[in-house]
Amino acid sequence: AQKITQTQPGMFVQEKEAVTLDCTYDTSDPSYGLFWYKQPSSGEMIFLIYQGSYDQQNATEGRYSLNFQKARKSANLVISASQLGDSAMYFCAMRERGSQGNLIFGKGTKLSVKP
Amino acid sequence: GAGVSQTPSNKVTEKGKYVELRCDPISGHTALYWYRQSLGQGPEFLIYFQGTGAADDSGLPNDRFFAVRPEGSVSTLKIQRTERGDSAMYLCASSYSRDSAIEELFFGEGSRLTVL
Repeated sequence: AQKITQTQPGMFVQEKEAVTLDCTYDTSDPSYGLFWYKQPSSGEMIFLIYQGSYDQQNATEGRYSLNFQKARKSANLVISASQLGDSAMYFCAMRERGSQGNLIFGKGTKLSVKP
Repeated sequence: GAGVSQTPSNKVTEKGKYVELRCDPISGHTALYWYRQSLGQGPEFLIYFQGTGAADDSGLPNDRFFAVRPEGSVSTLKIQRTERGDSAMYLCASSYSRDSAIEELFFGEGSRLTVL
């Protein structure tokens, strides 16, 4: 079974609007971390936001917030007030405490922001 | 620079040749990871170093792939007898330690390998 599932290969959003990128995960480890990375066309993976499995509140970082629903095993990324520079690939990833600490990535969602 | 540095940024080689890809992690980071990303896919784990030793090499696809980190800093990913299917972006990442689910990985810009 896939550990990280991103069901949206591509998404479009109008500039200045909000967009939600979906991510579901599968783990039996009670301690884990969830990450979102942005990958522009240059190729570098840019860390956006982190959510720990024991965190009580949803993580927020500027225009990024994470809608964490533990019972549903979902960790959707919400980008508010989209900007043209947000156009990129977005990857959801998980790190299980019981593993060697490796990040397991989803297949990604390509976000295109329209002017 | 302060980030993870990878060289070369682009490498074109012929089938059957030997290739080395270098990664210089962030200073002080003890954990180093290699990932491979094929077009349209997410990064896939290859190998992880804690210090000088390979703590987990379960992602290496076969014995043509090997990586070293002799002094616990710079790492080299080595690919022997390259095949066209090895064409991908090879990403290196580092983190301060692996002993926490919290630690984010800092990635380099990758080395794009093309095998003709």
